Amino acid sequence: QVQLQQSGAELMKPGASVKISCKATGYTFSSYWIEWVKQRPGHGLEWIGEILPGSGSTNYNEKFKGKATFTADTSSNTAYMQLSSLTSEDSAVYYCARGTTATRYFDYWGQGTTLTVSS
Amino acid sequence: DIVLTQSPASLAVSLGQRATISCRASQSVSTSSYSYMHWYQQKPGQPPKLLIKYASNLESGVPARFSGSGSGTDFTLNIHPVEEEDTATYYCQHSWEIPLTFGAGTKLELK
Repeated sequence: QVQLQQSGAELMKPGASVKISCKATGYTFSSYWIEWVKQRPGHGLEWIGEILPGSGSTNYNEKFKGKATFTADTSSNTAYMQLSSLTSEDSAVYYCARGTTATRYFDYWGQGTTLTVSS
Repeated sequence: DIVLTQSPASLAVSLGQRATISCRASQSVSTSSYSYMHWYQQKPGQPPKLLIKYASNLESGVPARFSGSGSGTDFTLNIHPVEEEDTATYYCQHSWEIPLTFGAGTKLELK
């Protein structure tokens, strides 16, 4: 069955970078978008952007350009999101999700990765 | 960006009664064939779960007490009859254009 397995919780210092992974199983990795979503308490869900692993095509929410960078490795069926120049505002739970190519509803989600940025 | 305004922010419903959640988009997200509006349920400590796609299509495995309706800019999620396990936060999401956006969420509690 379809599963998205994310990397574990991270504790990072301000100014550092972090790379979160999302390993996909149970479907053709290259054919669906991998979506990235941020959730902070009291801030609901924010779409960061997406990558289509087969082509490497990406779309970013303007708000996260320069903050997030997406990559994907089709040999290991793993997508990555790197977040740079971390601040306390980046402390959140980050989810990856599968997005359909025809329209972007998110039918499968990873379990979430908690990022804490603190000195 | 398309803004999705959900109402109410929270509601309390008795077991067996109906819960109605509204989502209004700042512009139309519908064509003559499809509405690009989707609904999710999120319980504490869990990722969101897709309930309804294209405004009214129930995702596989989702109980039939969940239903969605609407087109253009106004959409509704109904839950009837409400069960204890339905206590959660519900989000709408459009996929009309980039950036995709979510509503702020509606927290459903039992009365």
